[in-house]
Amino acid sequence: AQSVTQPDIHITVSEGASLELRCNYSYGATPYLFWYVQSPGQGLQLLLKYFSGDTLVQGIKGFEAEFKRSQSSFNLRKPSVHWSDAAEYFCAVVSNTGKLIFGQGTTLQVKP
Amino acid sequence: NAGVMQNPRHLVRRRGQEARLRCSPMKGHSHVYWYRQLPEEGLKFMVYLQKENIIDESGMPKERFSAEFPKEGPSILRIQQVVRGDSAAYFCASSPMRSSSGANVLTFGAGSRLTVL
Repeated sequence: AQSVTQPDIHITVSEGASLELRCNYSYGATPYLFWYVQSPGQGLQLLLKYFSGDTLVQGIKGFEAEFKRSQSSFNLRKPSVHWSDAAEYFCAVVSNTGKLIFGQGTTLQVKP
Repeated sequence: NAGVMQNPRHLVRRRGQEARLRCSPMKGHSHVYWYRQLPEEGLKFMVYLQKENIIDESGMPKERFSAEFPKEGPSILRIQQVVRGDSAAYFCASSPMRSSSGANVLTFGAGSRLTVL
């Protein structure tokens, strides 16, 4: 069965520091992968997606993610974090029945 | 161009009452998905509907929960005889079509937060 694992439940970084959020997926074929962000009390906003092609994908708000098939990973990165990036981040994969399967989420705190 | 609209945003019910959550998809979207987010957990798929059809309800609890997406009007997620464990955020998402390859981007609403007293 398809699954997504986000190993880090909470991450704290200082403003201006770089960020990497980990995501590992389990899927037999070429996966369709997503990162969403959820601010407190809000819905989910799509940051970026990978369907095919270039394994380094650029998203909104300065985020990028790299698909690594050999590691079954799709880690999210940002070179310099802003205080407004504090939120919960979800990695997701499309299942073989077309559903989005989400990871548990990673809560990002940003220290001033 | 309004996004996915969900209402109510917050709903409080006492145990045993009914909860109805509504979702209006984006204009031009005919596919609706409902997800539930329990406290401290990720989003779990509940049901996928097209107009007048339930396509996949594999994530729906067997009892008390039902969903519909009529020809006219919003999609409705209905929870009968609510219990405290139903307290959660319920998110609706829509898409214009279902890609046979799975390359489908969902747009999410802001969610409806149900509290059962």
